[in-house]
Amino acid sequence: GAVVSQHPSRVICKSGTSVKIECRSLDFQATTMFWYRQFPKQSLMLMATSNEGSKATYEQGVEKDKFLINHASLTLSTLTVTSAHPEDSSFYICSASRTILETQYFGPGTRLLVL
Amino acid sequence: QQQVKQSPQSLIVQKGGISIINCAYENTAFDYFPWYQQFPGKGPALLIAIRPDVSEKKEGRFTISFNKSAKQFSLHIMDSQPGDSATYFCAASRRNSGGSNYKLTFGKGTLLTVNP
Repeated sequence: GAVVSQHPSRVICKSGTSVKIECRSLDFQATTMFWYRQFPKQSLMLMATSNEGSKATYEQGVEKDKFLINHASLTLSTLTVTSAHPEDSSFYICSASRTILETQYFGPGTRLLVL
Repeated sequence: QQQVKQSPQSLIVQKGGISIINCAYENTAFDYFPWYQQFPGKGPALLIAIRPDVSEKKEGRFTISFNKSAKQFSLHIMDSQPGDSATYFCAASRRNSGGSNYKLTFGKGTLLTVNP
């Protein structure tokens, strides 16, 4: 149990376009989902925490208007990178937990390349 | 106060050997210490986790040792195999109350290579 999926696994887009990444908890209901960003050979950097039905809480330095997060159901959260630029190229990983204090289960990640 | 320091940055071990990765934390409020394993191009997978009320937890070839007074915890991989080659992250959080400590604070990772 506790499987989290992400779609797409990798995406290439042109600069200025928007990209949506989906995160789904497949076999449990996730009250809380987290979005991370990881640069090559570096640790995970938390971008935001989202709770189902409420606005996401963004970490300091993360632009909420650029990284739109929606957590509309207990099994789905989406991250939309708006007006993507090459510097947004990264590995984006979501995690999900049944409640905010419980174990986080990570998705397989989405590789974004902005040309 | 939110930092988790992990060492070594990289580790090379021979097949059958013991891999040891160490982490130290500063925030005494942390009460949950998981280890994650990450293969290239994949998301982290929970390997094993420990709470501070025990000094050691073992699951198969993986053991966490925890020293509350020293604020240190370590991962031991016994009989290391080439398939264990991956990046390992320690993390810490506080799971029994509110505030922002519920967030996982990650170490910088250790790249483990197990030679055949």
